Amino acid sequence: EAAVTQSPRNKVTVTGGNVTLSCRQTNSHNYMYWYRQDTGHGLRLIHYSYGAGNLQIGDVPDGYKATRTTQEDFFLLLELASPSQTSLYFCASRGQGMDTQYFGPGTRLLVL
Amino acid sequence: GDSVTQTEGQVALSEEDFLTIHCNYSASGYPALFWYVQYPGEGPQFLFRASRDKEKGSSRGFEATYDKGTTSFHLRKASVQESDSAVYYCALGTQVVGQLTFGRGTRLQVYA
Repeated sequence: EAAVTQSPRNKVTVTGGNVTLSCRQTNSHNYMYWYRQDTGHGLRLIHYSYGAGNLQIGDVPDGYKATRTTQEDFFLLLELASPSQTSLYFCASRGQGMDTQYFGPGTRLLVL
Repeated sequence: GDSVTQTEGQVALSEEDFLTIHCNYSASGYPALFWYVQYPGEGPQFLFRASRDKEKGSSRGFEATYDKGTTSFHLRKASVQESDSAVYYCALGTQVVGQLTFGRGTRLQVYA
């Protein structure tokens, strides 16, 4: 099974703060995804990537940037954090020719 | 756009009860359908999938059958255990785009 790790696991910041969430997968998967999970909304796609240097916009991209520096690493950036971005963030990956995504353990972000 | 509707809120059962969580989808084309399970403090885990009409997916005693006619993929288990308590997500995916669209999740609470 795919190994996906996320850091930090918990983060507290203030409104207007700058936050970077990190995700690493070690199974040579081409595709990586960032989701947010909120009560009543389930999982919603923020950004995703087909490979290093590639970035695609998901369903709820406003206020977020992302960067895929290598095949293994995918970062989510909140440059001016707002309380509405308080959420549980998940990273996922999947391999070429597969349709199953594998998720990391999540990062809980609190914006005060 | 694509969407998934599943049993809302929480389902409360006693051990050995029969479980059904309803999942209906709306999508163009012929999507793959998935069930994921999420335990407290963890990311969603892939449970099983199906990709064609009348195909049954199954894992850990859970099963669902792809029904293109009724656009459904209902999750069933004959006899639930307390350890099955978790949040269950139905999702659909299209290979070309590579995204998953999730339902809002259904919390299963099983009492001993």
